[in-house]
Amino acid sequence: GAVVSQHPSWVICKSGTSVKIECRSLDFQATTMFWYRQFPKQSLMLMATSNEGSKATYEQGVEKDKFLINHASLTLSTLTVTSAHPEDSSFYICSSLAGATDTQYFGPGTRLTVL
Amino acid sequence: QKEVEQDPGPLSVPEGAIVSLNCTYSNSAFQYFMWYRQYSRKGPELLMYTYSSGNKEDGRFTAQVDKSSKYISLFIRDSQPSDSATYLCAMSGGGSNYKLTFGKGTLLTVNP
Repeated sequence: GAVVSQHPSWVICKSGTSVKIECRSLDFQATTMFWYRQFPKQSLMLMATSNEGSKATYEQGVEKDKFLINHASLTLSTLTVTSAHPEDSSFYICSSLAGATDTQYFGPGTRLTVL
Repeated sequence: QKEVEQDPGPLSVPEGAIVSLNCTYSNSAFQYFMWYRQYSRKGPELLMYTYSSGNKEDGRFTAQVDKSSKYISLFIRDSQPSDSATYLCAMSGGGSNYKLTFGKGTLLTVNP
């Protein structure tokens, strides 16, 4: 299957700071990538759809000014959590859409802890 | 009614058992059906991918889709302790409607 990487795998930050998470599609070009968050013992919640070269599409209830998404190339999308607060602590996972099969391949996730 | 229903378990079986995991759904527009395996603190890993109705087999794993009943299954034969994980069903309408709708996931433990 396709390989998607995320960096960092975990991060701890102070309240009020910003954190950037990178998602890379390593072995195929992905015009579309997705960002999810997952709370303990819950399923994945789609936050936004990231399209290369255009603005991201956010799901209802997700603050686009707080969760900035940039998809500047066919292999890289970034999620920046701005002015992070403890309630933003979660597991953030990206995925890349493999166009040939409309299948999503997921990254390993980034665990964010905001103190 | 939720779009995708999945029994969260937990499900505990002895090593070597046959495991059956299931999801039901309500949206008849779903065409693509997937099963993902997620280990604790890791991203989901694609296990099986099926288009429309039918069966698909890959090693110890068999996926079944019955669109008339809006019911999908994943069978694991000769289960191993390394199969212990959360299994998520997911589905999409395909084409321009590629967003995945997930089940809540079933936590499986295979005991040695």
